[in-house]
Amino acid sequence: EAGVAQSPRYKIIEKRQSVAFWCNPISGHATLYWYQQILGQGPKLLIQFQNNGVVDDSQLPKDRFSAERLKGVDSTLKIQPAKLEDSAVYLCASSPSGIHEQYFGPGTRLTVT
Amino acid sequence: AQSVAQPEDQVNVAEGNPLTVKCTYSVSGNPYLFWYVQYPNRGLQFLLKYITGDNLVKGSYGFEAEFNKSQTSFHLKKPSALVSDSALYFCAVRAGAGSYQLTFGKGTKLSVIP
Repeated sequence: EAGVAQSPRYKIIEKRQSVAFWCNPISGHATLYWYQQILGQGPKLLIQFQNNGVVDDSQLPKDRFSAERLKGVDSTLKIQPAKLEDSAVYLCASSPSGIHEQYFGPGTRLTVT
Repeated sequence: AQSVAQPEDQVNVAEGNPLTVKCTYSVSGNPYLFWYVQYPNRGLQFLLKYITGDNLVKGSYGFEAEFNKSQTSFHLKKPSALVSDSALYFCAVRAGAGSYQLTFGKGTKLSVIP
């Protein structure tokens, strides 16, 4: 069974530029999550989708971050404009439902200069 | 608000010795508890979970964890450590059925010394 796919793996941008990350979850998984992991910290949930609807986006900085999940499958996370403090690893995860364990992708390491 | 504490930033253990990585939690209601492992430049991998039932849960790669409700703890254990167990370990909690947000601890770096 294929795992969670993410791209790109690495991205370097200058502050005030925009960036987008892509995630393809495990086939059949209804729930999709985006996390931000800053160096030395545990992952922090940014947004959770159930199919193509948002379940929880309480920790998403909505003035600069946006996310969508098209047709309840793939998802994109966008940052516009980026700030230095957005430098982190962005992890995508999926699960069969909200109560099951989550399966994580390899992450995208973002560096904002 | 729910939270997780991993009191040790790093744990060092000799190969073949038993290992313990500590985790305590705070949550309203019954907790769902998880352990994940992260190898360098890779995403998190699920190890084991406690939802209900037996307080001792067994997971992947010979790891197990014991749920202690009175001490609000969920320590990760392994009887005999391998060098390949060296990685970053995260404990996570969510507040039972109907709650969606998973809260992670800051992680504990495990180093197994040959």
